[in-house]
Amino acid sequence: DTGVSQNPRHKITKRGQNVTFRCDPISEHNRLYWYRQTLGQGPEFLTYFQNEAQLEKSRLLSDRFSAERPKGSFSTLEIQRTEQGDSAMYLCASSTGGGGGYTFGSGTRLTVV
Amino acid sequence: GESVGLHLPTLSVQEGDNSIINCAYSNSASDYFIWYKQESGKGPQFIIDIRSNMDKRQGQRVTVLLNKTVKHLSLQIAATQPGDSAVYFCAETGRSSNTGKLIFGQGTTLQVKP
Repeated sequence: DTGVSQNPRHKITKRGQNVTFRCDPISEHNRLYWYRQTLGQGPEFLTYFQNEAQLEKSRLLSDRFSAERPKGSFSTLEIQRTEQGDSAMYLCASSTGGGGGYTFGSGTRLTVV
Repeated sequence: GESVGLHLPTLSVQEGDNSIINCAYSNSASDYFIWYKQESGKGPQFIIDIRSNMDKRQGQRVTVLLNKTVKHLSLQIAATQPGDSAVYFCAETGRSSNTGKLIFGQGTTLQVKP
């Protein structure tokens, strides 16, 4: 296990299309987070899972966004009917919840054209 | 070199000098703070953390200072190296320390001149 893995690394899509990103956390980590980062800004929290339960969602997560973590392992983030404003880096992170910060993946950069 | 007082988006230092990056946090209820380093094209990388019951914590070449009175956090990097060039973010837990959700501050770009 070499860390948090995110796929794809880059995604270019046309406005209105649906996209799905995948995150594979560190295997023993029960907590999983999604963040969004736009150019020049810090990451912004989107949602949080403890095992398979989605326990918190940000107001940033409109109804076009949905996240799942079906078996408490990998997670997917889907954006429906993408808009140009969705263009950003989508970061996944995982932790054990025992402090010490998260481990982030390298992110998926989404460009909506 | 250091960024003093107000947050500065860019800090340029000479290789070998010490760097100080400052951060003002917003929530007096935050009890956990973390500094992250982010290199171009990569996700943030954990550097060092500190709990609110401490005012100083040291790591390898890095020290974090916490001043709860003025809600100020700083990261000191000793003997700055070219590999330290990156964007540095401070993060706080806000009021949700039990979920681990983090609120990130504005980043500071550290440029190390050889």
